[in-house]
Amino acid sequence: DAGITQSPRHKVTETGTPVTLRCHQTENHRYMYWYRQDPGHGLRLIHYSYGVKDTDKGEVSDGYSVSRSKTEDFLLTLESATSSQTSVYFCAISDPAGGFGYTFGSGTRLTVV
Amino acid sequence: LAKTTQPISMDSYEGQEVNITCSHNNIATNDYITWYQQFPSQGPRFIIQGYKTKVTNEVASLFIPADRKSSTLSLPRVSLSDTAVYYCLVGDPRYSSASKIIFGSGTRLSIRP
Repeated sequence: DAGITQSPRHKVTETGTPVTLRCHQTENHRYMYWYRQDPGHGLRLIHYSYGVKDTDKGEVSDGYSVSRSKTEDFLLTLESATSSQTSVYFCAISDPAGGFGYTFGSGTRLTVV
Repeated sequence: LAKTTQPISMDSYEGQEVNITCSHNNIATNDYITWYQQFPSQGPRFIIQGYKTKVTNEVASLFIPADRKSSTLSLPRVSLSDTAVYYCLVGDPRYSSASKIIFGSGTRLSIRP
């Protein structure tokens, strides 16, 4: 969607290596989120941010860390990738002032071998 | 947290009206109901949002009974391009933090010619 981009779109990495996924928005929305999507599990929240340097854990945060040094960028880091982290990762943004609605990025397909 | 329950899958034919019902028995007073659509290899996309009674836009209608314990997404005259997964979410827009919002597994809608 226009206004939110994820990079890379696809990545293959080896077990044990660190990986960083980037989410960039041009909407100046306060809230940003990282979800993972796996077959049979729908979308599960990893971490979210409610402002610069303000982040909190979601339901599946183990093995992940995030950082938000600027309003427009939200980074997701897998400190030491494992095969169980093979998934599709989606970033989303929202703005409470604009009502309850998320805008999602196109996703990053990560494969850990 | 307001958990939602939807059918896992539904099938229909082109030109038919499709109704997908979502149960949310513990919906809170300030919660809104929002539906998203997700195509393969894409992030979810906002369809419609409502609080009570009926809401209609160019894509769908949302029916919410007086007790608000359920809601029905209605897609008029579906086409093959409506084949997607549909998610029902319940949450309070004042608290955009996703810790209060849960994505279920959604309803996989398949449209046949």
